[in-house]
Order: sequence, then structure tokens, then C-alpha cells
Amino acid sequence: DSGVTQTPKHLITATGQRVTLRCSPRSGDLSVYWYQQSLDQGLQFLIQYYNGEERAKGNILERFSAQQFPDLHSELNLSSLELGDSALYFCASSVGGITDTQYFGPGTRLTVL
Amino acid sequence: SQQGEEDPQALSIQEGENATMNCSYKTSINNLQWYRQNSGRGLVHLILIRSNEREKHSGRLRVTLDTSKKSSSLLITASRAADTASYFCATSLRGNNRLAFGKGNQVVVIP
Repeated sequence: DSGVTQTPKHLITATGQRVTLRCSPRSGDLSVYWYQQSLDQGLQFLIQYYNGEERAKGNILERFSAQQFPDLHSELNLSSLELGDSALYFCASSVGGITDTQYFGPGTRLTVL
Repeated sequence: SQQGEEDPQALSIQEGENATMNCSYKTSINNLQWYRQNSGRGLVHLILIRSNEREKHSGRLRVTLDTSKKSSSLLITASRAADTASYFCATSLRGNNRLAFGKGNQVVVIP
């Protein structure tokens, strides 16, 4: 158990809908990262937050957004969902420095029908 | 861009044998990390090696890093059936801590 929690574990929804994925980092970790894992794209970095502020952006679509709250939990919002958004979404956390180990949550499996 | 290309991508070995996986990358890195993923589950951090380190051990794991060749290897000694998983290398680039993952190695350890 990494100490990072993600909810829900599974999510099934329809095209065009909007969903919110939630992540709670390990106690004491200030950085939260979101990754997407799909069969064709592999594991892709989406976005990083550090202590409530956006720190880095990766291959995140404009239909996706995220935020980190004062209690350091984070949410990833996915809107106007398409079939291709079906994937595993992982959250990871680290203490915050640029050389820190990232600890991953169990992931949310999103299925868009 | 995708950093980290593991080679080979699929490996099948007998229990007790050693398994070696390689990873190459393209640009300067802060550190390189190896993760294990059991089918459809979360990634488990195995080991982190910094750019100024050449070799690191953790239990049955041995990681090497050659920054001149921009490559790393992960050796699992005395493999067990429980080591069956996908193994990913991930590089952390200079200036940020985002991880760039390779495509992963599928390792099957036959009891």
C-alpha cells in the first residue's frame, strides 16, 4: 500500500459526459501528479500540482482539468468524454522536490461507452 | 516525447533464473526509476537511481545506470513466480519531476 488513495476504482460512463476522479496523496506529500495509461499511448504524464499550484503540464487535453485543494487532495475533471478517453488514470504523490520518488495510487479505470 | 525504451519487451524465464531488462533514454536526466505493475493494477516503486550514481541494490534487485550511453538495466536475481509483472523504467528530466515512462517489459516467471 503506497498511502495514495484514489476514488472511484471503476467508472463507466457514456460519451459526452463529465466525470471527476479524486486523489488523496500520502501524508506529508505536497506534490500530486496525474498520469493516463492506455494500451496505445502507454503511461503518459498529464499534470502536476505542488501545494495547490500547477507546476507542470504534459499531454493533457483541453477537455481535462485538474486542481489541488488546500487539504492537498486533487481532482481530475474529464469532460465531453470520448471513447478514446477510456484508460487507467493514476495519481502519484511525492514530498515535492525534483528528485523525489513518486508513489502511485491504485488507479481509476474509466470506461467510456 | 517518450523517454525510456525498455528492451526486451517480453521475457519468459524459469523460477530461480535471473531476469535482465534494459532501458534507454534520450536526454539528460535527474534520476531514473523502475516500477513494477501487476496486471491492471497500480505501479509499485522499486528503486530510484540518481544521475550521479552508477549502481544500486535493493534486495534481489540491481540497477545500473550509464549516463554516457543513456541507458539503465534492471536485474532481478533468483526470480520467483511473484515477480511476474510488467516492469517500467521512468526518467525524471532535469528541471522538473514529471516522469516519462517507457513501454514496459512483460516478465513471466514460470514456477
